[in-house]
Amino acid sequence: QQQVKQSPQSLIVQKGGISIINCAYENTAFDYFPWYQQFPGKGPALLIAIRPDVSEKKEGRFTISFNKSAKQFSLHIMDSQPGDSATYFCAASETGGGADGLTFGKGTHLIIQP
Amino acid sequence: KAGVTQTPRYLIKTRGQQVTLSCSPISGHRSVSWYQQTPGQGLQFLFEYFSETQRNKGNFPGRFSGRQFSNSRSEMNVSTLELGDSALYLCASSFRSSYNSPLHFGNGTRLTVT
Repeated sequence: QQQVKQSPQSLIVQKGGISIINCAYENTAFDYFPWYQQFPGKGPALLIAIRPDVSEKKEGRFTISFNKSAKQFSLHIMDSQPGDSATYFCAASETGGGADGLTFGKGTHLIIQP
Repeated sequence: KAGVTQTPRYLIKTRGQQVTLSCSPISGHRSVSWYQQTPGQGLQFLFEYFSETQRNKGNFPGRFSGRQFSNSRSEMNVSTLELGDSALYLCASSFRSSYNSPLHFGNGTRLTVT
């Protein structure tokens, strides 16, 4: 059972454009939502994370929007650059603990065209 | 500060053999988690260790096991290897529980089972 659904699977954006990746979750007990960035040959690296008590969090060009009632959250990359080309994973977990650790989405392969 | 170190980077094993993977967490981190990454299933949680105790285990068969030592270093063992075990195995460390503190991933061990 996939508890975090991520879309799109792949995305091509022109340099300077806005990249948008969406995730939806099912488990209402989830209360920690991080995004990870992975380059080929490397492990995932934490980009930004949000908790459900806020609707938006911004760090530089990266913004997470969170909609608790819809059980959805999204990553926006403003002014996308070729160096942002990577695979992005959303994830979710229960702060109180759970058997599944971090539950990851299947990933979005982002390509920024120069 | 040195990052998470995983050894070896690549392994080729034959069906039926067993394998041990090693992970050295970031200094001061007491939690070590293991994830399996495959193109089809994405990132899946294997287990988490905290202060030498297994806290949680994902939905994997008993052939997958691990342990953590007093210096927080961790090993993962897979016995009776199957072709489907071919994957990138990622180790991640965090200061506290992995549920709500940032996970720092290593670059993984690429296991190929022939």
